[in-house]
Amino acid sequence: KAGVTQTPRYLIKTRGQQVTLSCSPISGHRSVSWYQQTPGQGLQFLFEYFSETQRNKGNFPGRFSGRQFSNSRSEMNVSTLELGDSALYLCASSAGTETYGYTFGSGTRLTVV
Amino acid sequence: AQTVTQSQPEMSVQEAETVTLSCTYDTSENNYYLFWYKQPPSRQMILVIRQEAYKQQNATENRFSVNFQKAAKSFSLKISDSQLGDTAMYFCAFMKQWTSYDKVIFGPGTSLSVIP
Repeated sequence: KAGVTQTPRYLIKTRGQQVTLSCSPISGHRSVSWYQQTPGQGLQFLFEYFSETQRNKGNFPGRFSGRQFSNSRSEMNVSTLELGDSALYLCASSAGTETYGYTFGSGTRLTVV
Repeated sequence: AQTVTQSQPEMSVQEAETVTLSCTYDTSENNYYLFWYKQPPSRQMILVIRQEAYKQQNATENRFSVNFQKAAKSFSLKISDSQLGDTAMYFCAFMKQWTSYDKVIFGPGTSLSVIP
């Protein structure tokens, strides 16, 4: 079955712009989590959505937001981009109980210039 | 709050040899789950192995096995017969029991290089 699909794979944006990243989870998975990965901070949890509801949220400013649609696809949005937002953004899907582990997408590499 | 520590930022091993990656964690929980994930240069994180804290038996998946010491809060990964394809970042991860709907917490990672 198809894996977790993240689009786009690469993105270059200018400071002050906004960006939307997309994640399509594995068919049947209802939970989507987002992580930011940087060399200095490692993997930082952004938020998790389950059945269109945000179930958990990390310690990121309000410029970072997300949503989940009825088909479980999720988007995350970053407004007023800063240079420090440059990172690999990873999406992970699960059936809803992460005890069996996540299935990750290949990520979106965002570069802010 | 839970924390996960991986004290070895980089490691290397000769092909066909055995290597052990260390992980310690801090928690006051009694029931939880531990994971090792692998991230090769292709960037996609792959689940290598998982351990349920209430199980005393160490998990094994082919060439990968763990040494889970609950009292010491230690969860090391042993890779036997190392292969070139094992070259990757390895992340140790912790999660409380699922009913808390808590996030998975990752360690800082260990970069493993397998040398031919």
